[in-house]
Amino acid sequence: NAGVTQTPKFRILKIGQSMTLQCTQDMNHNYMYWYRQDPGMGLKLIYYSVGAGITDKGEVPNGYNVSRSTTEDFPLRLELAAPSQTSVYFCASSSQKYTQYFGPGTRLTVL
Amino acid sequence: GENVEQHPSTLSVQEGDSAVIKCTYSDSASNYFPWYKQELGKRPQLIIDIRSNVGEKKDQRIAVTLNKTAKHFSLHITETQPEDSAVYFCAASKVNNNDMRFGAGTRLTVKP
Repeated sequence: NAGVTQTPKFRILKIGQSMTLQCTQDMNHNYMYWYRQDPGMGLKLIYYSVGAGITDKGEVPNGYNVSRSTTEDFPLRLELAAPSQTSVYFCASSSQKYTQYFGPGTRLTVL
Repeated sequence: GENVEQHPSTLSVQEGDSAVIKCTYSDSASNYFPWYKQELGKRPQLIIDIRSNVGEKKDQRIAVTLNKTAKHFSLHITETQPEDSAVYFCAASKVNNNDMRFGAGTRLTVKP
């Protein structure tokens, strides 16, 4: 099993550009999550999903959108990139409501 | 919502000594408390977790204790080794709630 994979690993965006961060898991987990981690800080939950077709907001959802059309994939969309969205983004999944397994992260810089 | 505070922000110990990291939480309904280790440039990885029906859990050199009355929980690492050097995060969440809140992290340095 590859576990949780994310693409791209790095990305530089200009202000106002849009992009999609991809997340895929092959563990057949129902629950998936998107976090952002600012330098020297903990993780903050952006959005989560408890199954295909079901998504909900976390602590910091503004400026982001998600979709969950399959169990495996949970993409995160940035529509109008802003410098405040410069961060490392981690996707995670879990088979129940507890233990979460993280992907390798996407480092995003908005200039 | 839940608020998790973690102390200290940095901790330096000599190899072989013990290290203790403490977290407090605000929501008495929280009942799941994981600890993650994050090495530089890597993803967070779960090292141990505890649920509210247990007061202590141990796994080799690491242990976690939970005091629900005081709303705090702690990570204990004994016989520290240089490879224990990393940032450690605590977190808290509730049953039927996927909104897990993380502490700000503790940077542990183990000096050989």
